[in-house]
Amino acid sequence: KAGVTQTPRYLIKTRGQQVTLSCSPISGHRSVSWYQQTPGQGLQFLFEYFSETQRNKGNFPGRFSGRQFSNSRSEMNVSTLELGDSALYLCASSLEAGGNTGELFFGEGSRLTVL
Amino acid sequence: GENVEQHPSTLSVQEGDSAVIKCTYSDSASNYFPWYKQELGKGPQLIIDIRSNVGEKKDQRIAVTLNKTAKHFSLHITETQPEDSAVYFCAASSNTDKLIFGTGTRLQVFP
Repeated sequence: KAGVTQTPRYLIKTRGQQVTLSCSPISGHRSVSWYQQTPGQGLQFLFEYFSETQRNKGNFPGRFSGRQFSNSRSEMNVSTLELGDSALYLCASSLEAGGNTGELFFGEGSRLTVL
Repeated sequence: GENVEQHPSTLSVQEGDSAVIKCTYSDSASNYFPWYKQELGKGPQLIIDIRSNVGEKKDQRIAVTLNKTAKHFSLHITETQPEDSAVYFCAASSNTDKLIFGTGTRLQVFP
């Protein structure tokens, strides 16, 4: 079956702009988590959505937001982009909610460059 | 909240040697400890996990050990091969909480 699909794969923005990233989970998976990956910082948790509700949120400013649709697809938005937002944004899906319920299936990520 | 520290950040080994990556966690309520492998240009993929009711788990050349008292867990790869070269992430999670990852270890296996 198809894996987790993230679009776009690459994008370049300038400071002050906003960006929307999309994630389509594996069919049947209801939980979607987002992570920011930067060199030296590893994978930092942004938020988790389950059944269209945000279950958990990481320590990121309010410029980072997300949502989940009834078909479990998720989007995340970053407003007023800063240079430090340049990173690989990874989406992961799983059958159930919660960090200890089993395997996360990651997409290949959306690489954002902010100039 | 949970904090996970991972060492070393880079590790180079000769093919056939063993590699060990260590992680410590802060939340004593954490009960699930997975390890993910990320190859170049791909998303991380689960390679092995352990729950707090066991101390060790093996899967072919890969093993994970857990010391709950000391709050640390380790990944052991034996008979390393060039295809083991990747970035490895440990993670920890407590009940219904978020999965917190370490900062990663770049493993290079030289032929």
